[in-house]
Amino acid sequence: ETGVTQSPTHLIKTRGQQVTLRCSSQSGHNTVSWYQQALGQGPQFIFQYYREEENGRGNFPPRFSGLQFPNYSSELNVNALELDDSALYLCASSFRGPGNTIYFGEGSWLTVV
Amino acid sequence: AQTVTQSQPEMSVQEAETVTLSCTYDTSENNYYLFWYKQPPSRQMILVIRQEAYKQQNATENRFSVNFQKAAKSFSLKISDSQLGDTAMYFCAFIFLNSGGSNYKLTFGKGTLLTVNP
Repeated sequence: ETGVTQSPTHLIKTRGQQVTLRCSSQSGHNTVSWYQQALGQGPQFIFQYYREEENGRGNFPPRFSGLQFPNYSSELNVNALELDDSALYLCASSFRGPGNTIYFGEGSWLTVV
Repeated sequence: AQTVTQSQPEMSVQEAETVTLSCTYDTSENNYYLFWYKQPPSRQMILVIRQEAYKQQNATENRFSVNFQKAAKSFSLKISDSQLGDTAMYFCAFIFLNSGGSNYKLTFGKGTLLTVNP
């Protein structure tokens, strides 16, 4: 149990639609990151938020966007869904600082049809 | 760019035996951390062990230990007395500290599927 919770667990969307995934960080964690894990692959970094501002971004198009709220919970939004967006989306939270442990949620499995 | 390579897509081991998972990485950074994460079928990514690059001593956590060879950029995981519950996907991951000294992003390998057989 890492204290990081994600919702929904599974969802199916149609190509072109929009989706919002949610994450509740471990208590007190001020940094949240999102990762995309395609089937059979390692997670790929999407972006990171610290104190409600984007703090770094991976190689993902602008239709991937996020928010971090004052209580450090977070959302990942994906617009204009494509079939290749089908993946497990992982939320990770930590305290900001050198080498602090990063805790992951169980993920949201998105299927785009 | 940082890359992490896990050359063993799948491995199997008998219960109670020892197994070693390989990982190599490439970076020009000097200040970084290395991790092994375990992802069982439940999908929860669980930290197994971590190693600070500035420490020469290899990290150990109970049955798990690493062989960190900084010059060779190698970071292998040894699991002793393997248990059925160790069956999972294992990911090697790397994070470097940016100029602000803060965590940035984890870079993962593609993973090694470990099966522990009874």
